Amino acid sequence: KAGVTQTPRYLIKTRGQQVTLSCSPISGHRSVSWYQQTPGQGLQFLFEYFSETQRNKGNFPGRFSGRQFSNSRSEMNVSTLELGDSALYLCASRSGLAGSTDTQYFGPGTRLTVL
Amino acid sequence: AQTVTQSQPEMSVQEAETVTLSCTYDTSENNYYLFWYKQPPSRQMILVIRQEAYKQQNATENRFSVNFQKAAKSFSLKISDSQLGDTAMYFCAFIRATGKLIFGQGTTLQVKP
Repeated sequence: KAGVTQTPRYLIKTRGQQVTLSCSPISGHRSVSWYQQTPGQGLQFLFEYFSETQRNKGNFPGRFSGRQFSNSRSEMNVSTLELGDSALYLCASRSGLAGSTDTQYFGPGTRLTVL
Repeated sequence: AQTVTQSQPEMSVQEAETVTLSCTYDTSENNYYLFWYKQPPSRQMILVIRQEAYKQQNATENRFSVNFQKAAKSFSLKISDSQLGDTAMYFCAFIRATGKLIFGQGTTLQVKP
């Protein structure tokens, strides 16, 4: 099975712009979670989608949003970019069928740099 | 609130030796899962090992094993016969019913030849 894929791998944007990141989960997985990784804050949970519905949300401002499509692919959008949004954004997928504690598998991440 | 603490920011070990990475967590939940993930310089997060809290037996995966002490809320990772490819940042993570992974701060492990 192919793993979790994320596109693009690298992005450079300027303050005030918006950005959309994409994640394709492992085939058959219905849950997609997003995490932000920074040197200062570490790994922080953004949100989780299951069957096109947001199931969990972390403590991030409303500028961070996401959605999931019927094929389980997910997108994350950040509007009005700030310098502090520079980070590695990781997507993780899991089946979602065995209960909420089944293993999450991660993609390679998207490195976002905001100038 | 659930927290995960890794008290060793950096560690090093000689190739072929054994090293133990520490992790403690805090939760009032009874049913949960614990994980160790490895993040090499490529930044790809890779699952190393998983432990179900209801299982008393410690999980093992080849050279990787855990010492799970539920009462003490401790979950350490032992790497035997360390290899150069084990060089990475290691994250301890906790998950409960909500499906949200909570990560520790990470331990950078350097395996020296």
